[in-house]
Amino acid sequence: EAQVTQNPRYLITVTGKKLTVTCSQNMNHEYMSWYRQDPGLGLRQIYYSMNVEVTDKGDVPEGYKVSRKEKRNFPLILESPSPNQTSLYFCASSAWGVQETQYFGPGTRLLVL
Amino acid sequence: DAKTTQPTSMDCAEGRAANLPCNHSTISGNEYVYWYRQIHSQGPQYIIHGLKNNETNEMASLIITEDRKSSTLILPHATLRDTAVYYCIVRVASGGSNYKLTFGKGTLLTVNP
Repeated sequence: EAQVTQNPRYLITVTGKKLTVTCSQNMNHEYMSWYRQDPGLGLRQIYYSMNVEVTDKGDVPEGYKVSRKEKRNFPLILESPSPNQTSLYFCASSAWGVQETQYFGPGTRLLVL
Repeated sequence: DAKTTQPTSMDCAEGRAANLPCNHSTISGNEYVYWYRQIHSQGPQYIIHGLKNNETNEMASLIITEDRKSSTLILPHATLRDTAVYYCIVRVASGGSNYKLTFGKGTLLTVNP
């Protein structure tokens, strides 16, 4: 089954404790992206990647890092989480040239205390 | 990307057709209309897209007016599982290297038994 998986699905952490949210897709997609969703602000893009070793900032990259060492994986790293990063996070992927059909993961709900 | 306007919420009876309107009066000639939906706190799901011709797939139909200033998403036989926020997105098909989707507030469709 074609899918995007995220782990963990739920996470409670404390300010400053580094964490990684993993994202993996099994569709051999070139494009991957991270969004965060907050009430009243909708979905906002954090980072995206066009292919292995190619990443770039989205609209709200501050406080986040990403890496794309393998085509299937696109982890989101919070080096020093802060309470304003409490949010619902989604990973998405699509094939090159088929951007209209983006597949989204189930989401990761993060609470930073 | 062109701005879209959608009603905040709509109701529909189970088994009836749900018609969700979207206004995109500033759409450009090379911009497509995409529809996604998000069931409560799940990842957004692609539904359908089109340029100027009406489109139909297994999930829905998309009717675009001749002047392309508005469109309607039709769910022919709505079920309770179709209760979700529906997003109308307008953007160019080949938007450079970033396939970012800009989600507005969308329409909350509630399907009632």
